[in-house]
Amino acid sequence: DTEVTQTPKHLVMGMTNKKSLKCEQHMGHRAMYWYKQKAKKPPELMFVYSYEKLSINESVPSRFSPECPNSSLLNLHLHALQPEDSALYLCASSQDRFGTGRSYGYTFGSGTRLTVV
Amino acid sequence: DQQVKQNSPSLSVQEGRISILNCDYTNSMFDYFLWYKKYPAEGPTFLISISSIKDKNEDGRFTVFLNKSAKHLSLHIVPSQPGDSAVYFCAAVTNTGNQFYFGTGTSLTVIP
Repeated sequence: DTEVTQTPKHLVMGMTNKKSLKCEQHMGHRAMYWYKQKAKKPPELMFVYSYEKLSINESVPSRFSPECPNSSLLNLHLHALQPEDSALYLCASSQDRFGTGRSYGYTFGSGTRLTVV
Repeated sequence: DQQVKQNSPSLSVQEGRISILNCDYTNSMFDYFLWYKKYPAEGPTFLISISSIKDKNEDGRFTVFLNKSAKHLSLHIVPSQPGDSAVYFCAAVTNTGNQFYFGTGTSLTVIP
């Protein structure tokens, strides 16, 4: 299995809703990432988990809450989002955040298209 | 501060010809570079990478060139095919490997 699977593919939520995005990989990767991508812009890093511990939080608002229940799963909990949070949310994983061996195997999921209304 | 830049937002090339996508970076700590291809509403797909100890890496129709002194890399696609039409992002990693930095992307259109 060489994929990163994200669910759901599309999500529409109101500003008072609570929802979660899910990401799963079975490649034995020990680093997992959340990115946000707006149209015609590069992906922007949000969070990095390394060995199930949060290692980077790029000053993301607290209405986004990541969770890594185990080495294969990464969730992004959403609460009280704003319309400007509408974007494509991408999950990625890699073998080793610290690049030993330099065979990152950095793999992206297909993303969740989030619309906040 | 955009540490990785792709100065051409778009590029059109005739089928069968060469496509050259360029990428410039500012951080001398970057030592590993990657190219990704992205279709709309999909995640980026890894294409090819290069370590800073090399100046060229080739994989089929794709070749990446690295000029460290100029802090410049390029992706050559030969021959270009209509299926290559997508947005291409370059990305760079520091020698501590702790963060990817993506370029701004170049939208390639290959005209049949």
